Amino acid sequence: NAGVTQTPKFQVLKTGQSMTLQCAQDMNHNSMYWYRQDPGMGLRLIYYSASEGTTDKGEVPNGYNVSRLNKREFSLRLESAAPSQTSVYFCASSEASPRGGRGGYTFGSGTRLTVV
Amino acid sequence: ELKVEQNPLFLSMQEGKNYTIYCNYSTTSDRLYWYRQDPGKSLESLFVLLSNGAVKQEGRLMASLDTKARLSTLHITAAVHDLSATYFCAVVPKNYGGSQGNLIFGKGTKLSVKP
Repeated sequence: NAGVTQTPKFQVLKTGQSMTLQCAQDMNHNSMYWYRQDPGMGLRLIYYSASEGTTDKGEVPNGYNVSRLNKREFSLRLESAAPSQTSVYFCASSEASPRGGRGGYTFGSGTRLTVV
Repeated sequence: ELKVEQNPLFLSMQEGKNYTIYCNYSTTSDRLYWYRQDPGKSLESLFVLLSNGAVKQEGRLMASLDTKARLSTLHITAAVHDLSATYFCAVVPKNYGGSQGNLIFGKGTKLSVKP
């Protein structure tokens, strides 16, 4: 059981270049999320997808687009990268009803993106 | 504006000591999560608290939730070096409803346990 898989793990872009971050989950979760993490800022929600075929903006959507390709996959695209988008990006998915304990949201291992 | 505030943001402890991390949030929520993050790693789920008065314990960590006060605590008992990490609390605002709730994170508490 792989959980949430993100690719790539590391990426360096030049300002103005584009790229797509890939995320896939194998837990049959309906909801998927993209967060960015910056030092001292916690994690901030970029976009989310409550179910296949729907996407919505989060707290910091500017400069990003997303695609929920199917139930498993949720991609994040930077059309024209800027230095302010240097960050660590986490994809997550969630189950319908958290059962308590540790449950609810599962995070990928992250993508470290540097824009120069 | 929805806020999730943790304090302290930095905590340096000696091994064997006890301490508490606090998480206050500004909106109605009945789901609160605690995560641990080691440097350069992803987030590891520690606890999910689903109701007022909920208390969960695992090892040297105990988490509690008071939804009326909009406060959660993460208590560390007899700290050991292996607990050094950054701890995040996160809430799901109640008005999002159901399974589509989005986690709103605090800024994290960086814990350093020294011998």
